[in-house]
Amino acid sequence: EEQLLESGGGLVQPGGSLRLSCAASGFTFSNFAMSWVRQAPGKGLEWVSAITGSGGSTYYADSVTGRFTISRDNSKNTLYLQMDTLRVEDTAVYYCAQDLAAGGLDYWGQGTLVTVSS
Amino acid sequence: DIQMTQSPSSLSASVGNRVAITCRASQTISNFLSWYQQKPGKAPKLLIHAASSLRSGVPSRFSGSGSGTDFTLTISNLQPEDFATYYCQQSYSPPYTFGPGTRLEIK
Repeated sequence: EEQLLESGGGLVQPGGSLRLSCAASGFTFSNFAMSWVRQAPGKGLEWVSAITGSGGSTYYADSVTGRFTISRDNSKNTLYLQMDTLRVEDTAVYYCAQDLAAGGLDYWGQGTLVTVSS
Repeated sequence: DIQMTQSPSSLSASVGNRVAITCRASQTISNFLSWYQQKPGKAPKLLIHAASSLRSGVPSRFSGSGSGTDFTLTISNLQPEDFATYYCQQSYSPPYTFGPGTRLEIK
């Protein structure tokens, strides 16, 4: 059974950094592109970033370009999101998700809450 | 960037009804369109990908149609568990933007 488990969320001050992890199991991790999606409290879904299965290509939303870095370690079946220069508006639940080759985000983690506040 | 819009933003319907939610892209996205269902406090669930392909395990009362810029999610014979928020997302070109969502409520 495919599973994704995020960790690393928490409270951080504006301007601070945080690294999220997403541990994958139940599927061949390196075969799938992966994405991060976030949802601010009471708001809609916002796609944040994606990375190809090999890690060779990465993509970002305009709102996080230059501040967030997506990466993966296929030997550890783990996806990462390094978040620097955090802003209050980055406060959200962050989900990792498995990309279908034909488009769409299939399996999702339970989410991890990031709160940026002084 | 490709902008996604959805209409209506909210919708009231009764069990057994048929409803349609539309999604429009600001430029052509071929059929690179997915639909998700999200319930409060839960992760989104993929319903349909490639505009009209029903994800395995999703009830057949859900269907998707459209191509290019205009897409529709139709739910027939609404069931109590279908009351949720629905999002569309394009995967044609990054950033892979979501629509703002449609909240489906019980009348």
